[in-house]
Amino acid sequence: GENVEQHPSTLSVQEGDSAVIKCTYSDSASNYFPWYKQELGKRPQLIIDIRSNVGEKKDQRIAVTLNKTAKHFSLHITETQPEDSAVYFCAASNIGSYIPTFGRGTSLIVHP
Amino acid sequence: GAVVSQHPSWVICKSGTSVKIECRSLDFQATTMFWYRQFPKQSLMLMATSNEGSKATYEQGVEKDKFLINHASLTLSTLTVTSAHPEDSSFYICSAKRTDEQYFGPGTRLTVT
Repeated sequence: GENVEQHPSTLSVQEGDSAVIKCTYSDSASNYFPWYKQELGKRPQLIIDIRSNVGEKKDQRIAVTLNKTAKHFSLHITETQPEDSAVYFCAASNIGSYIPTFGRGTSLIVHP
Repeated sequence: GAVVSQHPSWVICKSGTSVKIECRSLDFQATTMFWYRQFPKQSLMLMATSNEGSKATYEQGVEKDKFLINHASLTLSTLTVTSAHPEDSSFYICSAKRTDEQYFGPGTRLTVT
């Protein structure tokens, strides 16, 4: 089955800095890669996703890149703000079968 | 759009009793829903995939007789924790699939005393 590795487990940055979270996956059949943000005690919220037919996607301060050859994808957050502090999860799945596999999560702390 | 509700948001029960958790997709139909368990500061652990009108598919290590899943309609899936024990205490989250995307419920905090 699919295996998703996520790094780092904890990331601490100063407000205004950029943050990068990286994930690798093992199943070359995976073609859908969403990212979720989970604040303490709340539900995971989809913040951005990318499909395997593109290499990069951007939405304001958030961007995701995908390297299918190397089987890794990354989340980039620019100009971080304290409200970006949360746990971020990456996931990988195949759109056809859709059994998502989640990474272990990255706790992002943005210091004001 | 794409709102998923979950009820109850928290529940405390005594050891040996059963607890039912409901997951509803409020503004879309979901043929597939997922049930997760999350321990503090840990990732989402997929317990089972619930398909409307058919039996749920359980992940390895999850006892299907203990965690009963029913997906009776396109907007409702239920998880029943039977004969609950303290080790079943956890945060249970459901999600519903709409096209390629997955939308999560707010979660249910279960405490078994």
